[in-house]
Amino acid sequence: EAQVTQNPRYLITVTGKKLTVTCSQNMNHEYMSWYRQDPGLGLRQIYYSMNVEVTDKGDVPEGYKVSRKEKRNFPLILESPSPNQTSLYFCAISRGRNQPQHFGDGTRLSIL
Amino acid sequence: QQPVQSPQAVILREGEDAVINCSSSKALYSVHWYRQKHGEAPVFLMILLKGGEQKGHDKISASFNEKKQQSSLYLTASQLSYSGTYFCGTAMNYGGSQGNLIFGKGTKLSVKP
Repeated sequence: EAQVTQNPRYLITVTGKKLTVTCSQNMNHEYMSWYRQDPGLGLRQIYYSMNVEVTDKGDVPEGYKVSRKEKRNFPLILESPSPNQTSLYFCAISRGRNQPQHFGDGTRLSIL
Repeated sequence: QQPVQSPQAVILREGEDAVINCSSSKALYSVHWYRQKHGEAPVFLMILLKGGEQKGHDKISASFNEKKQQSSLYLTASQLSYSGTYFCGTAMNYGGSQGNLIFGKGTKLSVKP
């Protein structure tokens, strides 16, 4: 069964303090993606990766970085977090863009 | 560019039917449907890849009208377990964004006994 593990699940931090949200998968899927979810705005894609060393911007990439050095991991990096990045974040995996996506349990970030 | 979902919210009694629509201003390559229950992650329902394609399982089905750039999700004889927020995700029909999936804002469905 597909497993997508996000860490941490919850984090309260302060403006400007760099943080990383990790995402790892157990399925060897090529496609991985990060979304943020805010009330009334739905799911918005931040970055996605079609394979190792291949990443691309989604709709709301400003203020975020990602890397895909190995297939199983796709960390989301906030170099200098700001309060407007307070949100619920989901990592998702799939075999490809037009395949079912399996989501992690989410990471709730609060930036004060 | 974000697809428009309608209605934004709907309340049903058990056994009633509902239709959720998803419209895009851009040509679509595929439409994805997900359901999210409160406090949980979104869960995959179905993907429609071709114009005119229809899919379904159980009492939930969907259609994709490529010409009209829209998709509809049909829930028949709704059950309490259908409650949640439904999202459509769209992949555009141009090559520049090969992996970009854009979701609508969601339709909140509440099924009452």
